[in-house]
Amino acid sequence: DAKTTQPNSMESNEEEPVHLPCNHSTISGTDYIHWYRQLPSQGPEYVIHGLTSNVNNRMASLAIAEDRKSSTLILHRATLRDAAVYYCIPFYEDGSSNTGKLIFGQGTTLQVKP
Amino acid sequence: GAVVSQHPSRVICKSGTSVKIECRSLDFQATTMFWYRQFPKKSLMLMATSNEGSKATYEQGVEKDKFLINHASLTLSTLTVTSAHPEDSSFYICSAALSHNEQFFGPGTRLTVL
Repeated sequence: DAKTTQPNSMESNEEEPVHLPCNHSTISGTDYIHWYRQLPSQGPEYVIHGLTSNVNNRMASLAIAEDRKSSTLILHRATLRDAAVYYCIPFYEDGSSNTGKLIFGQGTTLQVKP
Repeated sequence: GAVVSQHPSRVICKSGTSVKIECRSLDFQATTMFWYRQFPKKSLMLMATSNEGSKATYEQGVEKDKFLINHASLTLSTLTVTSAHPEDSSFYICSAALSHNEQFFGPGTRLTVL
């Protein structure tokens, strides 16, 4: 399994953009990069995923380095509800019926200040 | 997004008793479900992969006779903690795979063993 390195914690002000980095230098060429977040006392929630190109959805944007050894999750305008632990997970997407396992690292705890 | 439920959300039991936790995919069928455990201030740890109609695959170090997993239908997987002890107190979370690259998590079950 590819290892990831994320800052233990980050702070942001409300309404400002947040850039959450993740290093995954041992990622294989077939691993997608998935991001999940976990609010206190809840199950994880899917945020976004990508392979090589940058990705956008209603929750966030994902910027993937050209060498794929790192990626950055971008929250364009942080709100208090975005305070959570954010996990970056390299994920092998088997095109067959087999479903890959999500292996969680320590993640980044994001605090959002009003 | 797809919805996964867990029941119960909280359970307190006496040491030595068994506890069953249910995980249901409410609006989709899931051939594969996963069970995780999370201790306070720690990340999620994958316990096992549950495939409908077959035996679960346990991660290294997880006792299969203590954590019984049954995946009898495409919408239901159960985890039974047998002869629970205080060290089994934890937050148990399931996820259900909608496809090979989409997993949805339940809200978690907090188990306290007295």
